[in-house]
Amino acid sequence: EDQVTQSPEALRLQEGESSSLNCSYTVSGLRGLFWYRQDPGKGPEFLFTLYSAGEEKEKERLKATLTKKESFLHITAPKPEDSATYLCAAYSGYALNFGKGTSLLVTP
Amino acid sequence: EAQVTQNPRYLITVTGKKLTVTCSQNMNHEYMSWYRQDPGLGLRQIYYSMNVEVTDKGDVPEGYKVSRKEKRNFPLILESPSPNQTSLYFCASRPTGTSGAYEQYFGPGTRLTVT
Repeated sequence: EDQVTQSPEALRLQEGESSSLNCSYTVSGLRGLFWYRQDPGKGPEFLFTLYSAGEEKEKERLKATLTKKESFLHITAPKPEDSATYLCAAYSGYALNFGKGTSLLVTP
Repeated sequence: EAQVTQNPRYLITVTGKKLTVTCSQNMNHEYMSWYRQDPGLGLRQIYYSMNVEVTDKGDVPEGYKVSRKEKRNFPLILESPSPNQTSLYFCASRPTGTSGAYEQYFGPGTRLTVT
């Protein structure tokens, strides 16, 4: 059965303290790995799509990477406005499976 | 502006009173989907539609109905809501193609409370 597991469930960082969020997946025939940002009470907002192992994508302070078993979302020198829940989702060609998310809080 | 819209955004209703949550997208996407999001359970797919007049069950379809008569609209119907359907609901859409790995665009959400 396809599964997506995110860790940690929650993460608290000081402003400027870099860290990484993990997304482990067991999906047969991965066609795409997606990262979303979700603010409380709002719809997920698309960040990145990764298609193959070794691929990396960057946007401002965020960088997403992909291996054959997991994806990382690296946050460099975060700011309080980066506080949100980050979701990853793996697409197998049949279904899009979401992880439960990592809730990130960045304090000043 | 490209977007997915949902109405209403907030709804409080009573058990058994039929309701419809509307969803509309202006991006000419073939694929549309409904999710519910609950604490500790994440996003779970209710129903999806690959195109007009084509709908299929997701992971948690019990108690819900959908229809896709037009490409842009995908309403979610709760014919007899129950308290366990209290949740945050999201509509989403994306294009379809040979790879299928296209990002989904989500609506702003509908917070439903059934008492």
